[in-house]
Formats: sequence, C-alpha cells, structure tokens
Amino acid sequence: DGGITQSPKYLFRKEGQNVTLSCEQNLNHDAMYWYRQDPGQGLRLIYYSQIVNDFQKGDIAEGYSVSREKKESFPLTVTSAQKNPTAFYLCASTISGGLNEKLFFGSGTQLSVL
Amino acid sequence: AQSVTQPDIHITVSEGASLELRCNYSYGATPYLFWYVQSPGQGLQLLLKYFSGDTLVQGIKGFEAEFKRSQSSFNLRKPSVHWSDAAEYFCVEGRSNDYKLSFGAGTTVTVRA
Repeated sequence: DGGITQSPKYLFRKEGQNVTLSCEQNLNHDAMYWYRQDPGQGLRLIYYSQIVNDFQKGDIAEGYSVSREKKESFPLTVTSAQKNPTAFYLCASTISGGLNEKLFFGSGTQLSVL
Repeated sequence: AQSVTQPDIHITVSEGASLELRCNYSYGATPYLFWYVQSPGQGLQLLLKYFSGDTLVQGIKGFEAEFKRSQSSFNLRKPSVHWSDAAEYFCVEGRSNDYKLSFGAGTTVTVRA
C-alpha cells in the first residue's frame, strides 16, 4: 500500500545533540513538507520541497535542516540550535502539477528533550 | 505571523445546531484553500478544497465552505452538527506561485448533548 512512513515514532534528544527524523513516501509525490504541531498553534511549516535537490524554508525553519536527495525521502534534522524542540512532527506530501490536491500525512514523530 | 487566521480558538455547539468556523487568508492572488479536520487521536482528513469556480464548495460529512474574495475569507459551515463532529478544524492556504501550504492555528469544536 502506498503511503508515508515516519520514523521513529518517539525520539528523545539530549542537550546539544542533533537528531534526524525520517520521512519516506512511496506515492511518487514530488512535493513534501515538514510541519511541527504544538497545542494551540496548529501546524507550523518548517521546510518544504517541490522537487529533488530543491527545498525552501517555511515559517519556522531556524534550528532545523533538511535534504532532498531522493524523490521518496525528505529527512529533517533538529539541530542543537533549536532551543525548544519538544513537539509532534508531521511529514506530508502531495502530487505535483498544482496545489489543488490533498496532503497525505505520515503518522508523526513525537520528539522530547531529556 | 501566520498567513491564515482562525479567530475562534474554541467553539461549543449543541448537537443539531448549526456551526460556522471562520477563516481569513492573506494571499493577494487567488489562493488554494482547504479545510482539514483532526479528530482526537486521529490523523488529518481533508473536508473540502477550493481553487476556482463556484465560490460555494461542498465537502464530506455535510460540510460546506464559501470563498469570499472581498472579505479574504473561507468560512466552514454545517447546518446540523453531530456529536462525531467534535474535533479540531484547520484552514489551510496554498499559494499559486510556489508549493507553500500554511495552516491556521485551528479551532476546537466541542459538541454538547
């Protein structure tokens, strides 16, 4: 079955540590997104990518980095510069050719600071 | 600042009553607009979407939304709410010049018997 796989489901970060969240999709979607969900703030866009080897900062990119070396993969690194990383992270994708299509979401990664 | 504003953080409505959730967008050109719903412990589900054409859009679960360019709004409505409609609702704006999709902060709907 096609879909988006996020791993791990739970992740713990120590102070000063970088951690990477995985997002893989087998939907053949070109566009991929990373959102952070905090209570009362909805989903805030971190980074997005329209095609391989290209990505753009979203609204809260500071302290995060991404890569898009393969169409199916869009990993997110939470760096030590992100001072408040505890949140639920959602990866999403949609087909290319226009935005008039729904987003497909992964099941999310809950990141906590030790 | 968020480009999509949902002015109501929390709405309580009686079962069987009508519901309207407000959404204001900021994109100057014609945006892509969506409403998603997230039920407790569940993923996000698309209710409806708008890009062009008829400004009144019908969605799933009996929901509809109306695009009003003069008010930069895309309000979601349902004539008669069911207890299962208790959830968090998100308005989403997409911009035609790139693939950025921005969510509003969400409105939590509580349904009382």
